[in-house]
Amino acid sequence: QVQLVQSGAEVKRPGASVKVSCKTSGYTFTDYYVYWVRQAPGQGLEWMGWINSKNGDKYYAQKFQGRVTMTTDTSITTGYMEMTRLTPDDTAIYYCARGVGAPGMHWGQGTLVTVSS
Amino acid sequence: EIVLTQSPDTLSLSPGERATLSCRAAQTIANNFLAWFQQKPGQAPRLLIYTASTRATGIPDRFSGSGSGTDFTLTISRLEPEDFAMYYCHQYGHSPSTFGQGTKLEI
Repeated sequence: QVQLVQSGAEVKRPGASVKVSCKTSGYTFTDYYVYWVRQAPGQGLEWMGWINSKNGDKYYAQKFQGRVTMTTDTSITTGYMEMTRLTPDDTAIYYCARGVGAPGMHWGQGTLVTVSS
Repeated sequence: EIVLTQSPDTLSLSPGERATLSCRAAQTIANNFLAWFQQKPGQAPRLLIYTASTRATGIPDRFSGSGSGTDFTLTISRLEPEDFAMYYCHQYGHSPSTFGQGTKLEI
């Protein structure tokens, strides 16, 4: 069955970087995009962007351009989202999701990233 | 970016009743690329509807989506106890994709 399993919770200092992984299985990795969505505590969903697992094309929401890098490693069917220059406002649960055109039925369990001094 | 406004913010109903949730876009959504997600506390979002009216695999038929252009609706015909949750609309017809702010469906 399709699974997306994310890396564990992280605690970071302001100004640091974080890299969240999304290990996938149960499907042909390069047939789908990997989307990233985040959710601050008690808040709604925020779309961050996507990466085409087949050719590496990417699209980031303008808010995150310059601070976010999405990558994939097709050899281990894993997607990554790295964010730099973290601030407390980046404290959130970060989700990966599989899809074509939009996040679909299969999501990771979420990774809590806490930014605090 | 396209702003999606959901209404109401909170909807209080009882099991067995009909729920109607609205999502209004600031401009026309291309190809009716509008999805609905359900989210329960501590869980990832769950896709219910895509392209405005197509139910995702395994979604009960009490959930239905309708609308086009700028006005979209999610209807739950007869509420079950497990339906009380947050609901988000999501447009993917224009980049960047965006989510509505959510509607809390409560008992």
